Amino acid sequence: EAGVAQSPRYKIIEKRQSVAFWCNPISGHATLYWYQQILGQGPKLLIQFQNNGVVDDSQLPKDRFSAERLKGVDSTLKIQPAKLEDSAVYLCASSLLAGGETQYFGPGTRLLVL
Amino acid sequence: GENVEQHPSTLSVQEGDSAVIKCTYSDSASNYFPWYKQELGKGPQLIIDIRSNVGEKKDQRIAVTLNKTAKHFSLHITETQPEDSAVYFCAASTSGTYKYIFGTGTRLKVLA
Repeated sequence: EAGVAQSPRYKIIEKRQSVAFWCNPISGHATLYWYQQILGQGPKLLIQFQNNGVVDDSQLPKDRFSAERLKGVDSTLKIQPAKLEDSAVYLCASSLLAGGETQYFGPGTRLLVL
Repeated sequence: GENVEQHPSTLSVQEGDSAVIKCTYSDSASNYFPWYKQELGKGPQLIIDIRSNVGEKKDQRIAVTLNKTAKHFSLHITETQPEDSAVYFCAASTSGTYKYIFGTGTRLKVLA
């Protein structure tokens, strides 16, 4: 079974530029999550989708971050404009809606904002 | 809101010794507690989990214990090996929200 796929793996941008990350969850997983992991910390949830609807985006900085999950499969997370403090690893995870709560993580995208 | 504390932040053990990592959660409604291992440059990988209706679970060299009254749970790794070196995260989740609150992580170093 293929795992969660993310791209790109690394991205370096200058502050005030925009950037987008892509995630393809495990086939059949209805729930998709985006996390931000700052160096030395645990992952922090940014947004949670169930199919193509948003379940929780309470910690998403909506003035600069946006995310969508068209057709309930792939998802993109965008930052515009980026700030220095956005430097982090952005992790995507997915889980089955029913039958369990285990979240499976992708390899992450490491973002460096200069 | 829910908070998860994790200790220690770093842990060094000799190969073959045991390692114990402890987490405390604040929300008494939490009922699912996974543990993840994260190696450098990789995403977190689930290694073991436990639900609130169970007090202990074991999988080969890894075990997790849960004390609901005290609201804490622990990861136990026996006969540690160099490949166990990584950052370990605990998390707590409440059924229905599927939302994880992660601990701050423990960097485990197994010395050969």
